[in-house]
Amino acid sequence: DAGVIQSPRHEVTEMGQEVTLRCKPISGHDYLFWYRQTMMRGLELLIYFNNNVPIDDSGMPEDRFSAKMPNASFSTLKIQPSEPRDSAVYFCASSVSGGYNEQFFGPGTRLTVL
Amino acid sequence: AQKITQTQPGMFVQEKEAVTLDCTYDTSDQSYGLFWYKQPSSGEMIFLIYQGSYDEQNATEGRYSLNFQKARKSANLVISASQLGDSAMYFCASRIGGADGLTFGKGTHLIIQP
Repeated sequence: DAGVIQSPRHEVTEMGQEVTLRCKPISGHDYLFWYRQTMMRGLELLIYFNNNVPIDDSGMPEDRFSAKMPNASFSTLKIQPSEPRDSAVYFCASSVSGGYNEQFFGPGTRLTVL
Repeated sequence: AQKITQTQPGMFVQEKEAVTLDCTYDTSDQSYGLFWYKQPSSGEMIFLIYQGSYDEQNATEGRYSLNFQKARKSANLVISASQLGDSAMYFCASRIGGADGLTFGKGTHLIIQP
């Protein structure tokens, strides 16, 4: 079975540009999470969805960040406009509900904003 | 708010020795889950082991075991018979009942020496 799929794997952009990161969760998983990893702040939860509905977006750093999940097999994280401090690895993860089930992580998208 | 503390930024261990990676957590919730993830240099996040707060026995998965001491709020990862391939970052994380995102510690960089 395919794991969590993220695209692109690497993204280099210039400050002020719009960036869209994409995620396809594991089929049948009803939770989807977006995390960001930086050297300074470590791994942080940005937002998560349950059955395509955003549940908690308190980790989204600013209004420049937005996330959507139009259907059970696709989610996007958008940054507009991007800034150099947004440079990080962005992970998408998914899990099934019912108890403390493990979260399966995608390979991540390494974002560099120049 | 949850907090995960990993006090060992880095560790050097001889191959074939057992390794204990420390993790303490801070929560007033009675129901929670504790997880360990491995992140090799390639960057992916690999789930290793899980312990529920109501589990009476320590979790084990192959060479990995979790030394769970609830009264001390610690959940140390034990790797038996370490191998060169165990060299990686290791993250402890918690998931609290009613809040489904993971809170991560800063991680421990483990290096296995031949």
